[in-house]
Amino acid sequence: AQTVTQSQPEMSVQEAETVTLSCTYDTSENNYYLFWYKQPPSRQMILVIRQEAYKQQNATENRFSVNFQKAAKSFSLKISDSQLGDTAMYFCAFMKHGFGYGQNFVFGPGTRLSVLP
Amino acid sequence: DGGITQSPKYLFRKEGQNVTLSCEQNLNHDAMYWYRQDPGQGLRLIYYSQIVNDFQKGDIAEGYSVSREKKESFPLTVTSAQKNPTAFYLCASSTRQSNTGELFFGEGSRLTVL
Repeated sequence: AQTVTQSQPEMSVQEAETVTLSCTYDTSENNYYLFWYKQPPSRQMILVIRQEAYKQQNATENRFSVNFQKAAKSFSLKISDSQLGDTAMYFCAFMKHGFGYGQNFVFGPGTRLSVLP
Repeated sequence: DGGITQSPKYLFRKEGQNVTLSCEQNLNHDAMYWYRQDPGQGLRLIYYSQIVNDFQKGDIAEGYSVSREKKESFPLTVTSAQKNPTAFYLCASSTRQSNTGELFFGEGSRLTVL
């Protein structure tokens, strides 16, 4: 069974600074997807960024980028130029390749990020 | 705008009572899911449905029931058999495309048992 670990329950960062959230996972699969989801205080969870394991290039979405280390099973999220709106709970998630259904998602416990003015 | 609507946002229940949480989506997604969120535990899957009139148990289905009579709707009933029902419940949906994997979430329902 797959597991996802987020070792930082809470983090804080000053506005405009850069912060990195850690995520490690355990799997015997070779093809899979990794995700970072954001859950702001309004509670609607949204997708931040997605990485396909067979792609070596790290995914980027504007101020959000990942450092994907497949051999180390590590998938960290870097937020550059942090904004107050980035304050949220961030979940790392794993999904096996070939399954298009959410029943195969495994979520980490989350990291609560606070962006300070 | 397309999205997922959950209701009610907050619900209080006395012990021994059943309660039903509503989830409606207008995204034309085939698959729908119910997750339970507890502090420090991430999201855990309760039930999921890939098509109308079909649903499957997730990891923590005991004490819960669902139905999928319409594509747009996937209500969750928390029964009196659920030993620790106080939690935040999230409904989600997705397409069948295996190259995306993205889940779309509602805003959630917080259930408190008094």
